[in-house]
Amino acid sequence: DVKVTQSSRYLVKRTGEKVFLECVQDMDHENMFWYRQDPGLGLRLIYFSYDVKMKEKGDIPEGYSVSREKKERFSLILESASTNQTSMYLCASSLFGPGQTETQYFGPGTRLLVL
Amino acid sequence: AQSVTQLDSQVPVFEEAPVELRCNYSSSVSVYLFWYVQYPNQGLQLLLKYLSGSTLVKGINGFEAEFNKSQTSFHLRKPSVHISDTAEYFCAVRSGYGGSQGNLIFGKGTKLSVKP
Repeated sequence: DVKVTQSSRYLVKRTGEKVFLECVQDMDHENMFWYRQDPGLGLRLIYFSYDVKMKEKGDIPEGYSVSREKKERFSLILESASTNQTSMYLCASSLFGPGQTETQYFGPGTRLLVL
Repeated sequence: AQSVTQLDSQVPVFEEAPVELRCNYSSSVSVYLFWYVQYPNQGLQLLLKYLSGSTLVKGINGFEAEFNKSQTSFHLRKPSVHISDTAEYFCAVRSGYGGSQGNLIFGKGTKLSVKP
């Protein structure tokens, strides 16, 4: 079974802190994604990556950055946390290839509270 | 631009009753369609997907969905629900297989509440 793990299930941080959310997948997937999930808004894509050291902005990248130094690990960074970044953060991974279509596999999520 | 509309934000239903969760999409090209389920305090899990072929797709836990190209819909159904089906359900669409065209676009979710 594909396993996507996230470093924390719950986090409480102060406004202005730098926050790191870590995601690791064990199936050698090329693609990795970070979403945030808010009530009534569904999932919104923050950043994604199709390869090591490669990143692309999603729909709501402002206030976030990412790092992918190794294929299995994709980190989301909040440079200076703000209260409007209080949310559930979901990481996902998938295979990629021409002519293929992929299923995204999700981690359990990190619920972040910024005070 | 692609979009996904889930017409109901909440669906209450009694145990053993049938249920339909509605999803409509907009896309000018061929699409791949997905339903994901999120149980409380968990990540999303794939229920089923339509890629091509038969328009009736069967998934896990007794769910099925029908792709209707003329109505641009992909409604999810189950003939008899259980308490354990209480969860939030997300419809998603994807087109193409490269670059940003390969990303999933999610609906806002439908909360299914099954009552005894």
